[in-house]
Amino acid sequence: AAGVIQSPRHLIKEKRETATLKCYPIPRHDTVYWYQQGPGQDPQFLISFYEKMQSDKGSIPDRFSAQQFSDYHSELNMSSLELGDSALYFCASSLGPKSQETQYFGPGTRLLVL
Amino acid sequence: AQSVAQPEDQVNVAEGNPLTVKCTYSVSGNPYLFWYVQYPNRGLQFLLKYITGDNLVKGSYGFEAEFNKSQTSFHLKKPSALVSDSALYFCAVRDYAGGGNKLTFGTGTQLKVEL
Repeated sequence: AAGVIQSPRHLIKEKRETATLKCYPIPRHDTVYWYQQGPGQDPQFLISFYEKMQSDKGSIPDRFSAQQFSDYHSELNMSSLELGDSALYFCASSLGPKSQETQYFGPGTRLLVL
Repeated sequence: AQSVAQPEDQVNVAEGNPLTVKCTYSVSGNPYLFWYVQYPNRGLQFLLKYITGDNLVKGSYGFEAEFNKSQTSFHLKKPSALVSDSALYFCAVRDYAGGGNKLTFGTGTQLKVEL
């Protein structure tokens, strides 16, 4: 079965650079979530979208922005990167935003900021 | 806010023995609880969820979990552990306060299954 696709899988950036992470949800899934997992930590929710509108917001820095496009894929834009942004970034998708729906996660993008 | 707690950082079990990974929850309203597994350098794989209904939930790879309302627990279990079950397990709760729908995760439990 098709899964969530994330690109790139690995990314190395310098401090103060920008990065764009992409997420392609499972076909027919219209809800996308972004999570950040620091080394040895649990995933932390950043932001979510349903039908191209922001549906929830978590601990996402002001330097980050995200959007969902008409084909439901999503992009996380990260500017003025800091060393502390080094983490694994997961995208998840679900069929609708209801609480009962399962979120299926992609393989993640590992970002290293030097 | 909704939260879950995983009291054990690591659980060791011999292959063939039953395993239990513990999770307790604190929610206001109906609890929507999930278990995910993470293998090294991999994403989170969904195992099972409790929404409503039977307290014993069956999931992928022979795992099951028991929802216990009086003890506010949602422990993950498997009757016979395999070495390949060794991974990091996360309990999560759907936090829908204020109309949101994010998952809040526990701190994770590293399961090690030994021969």
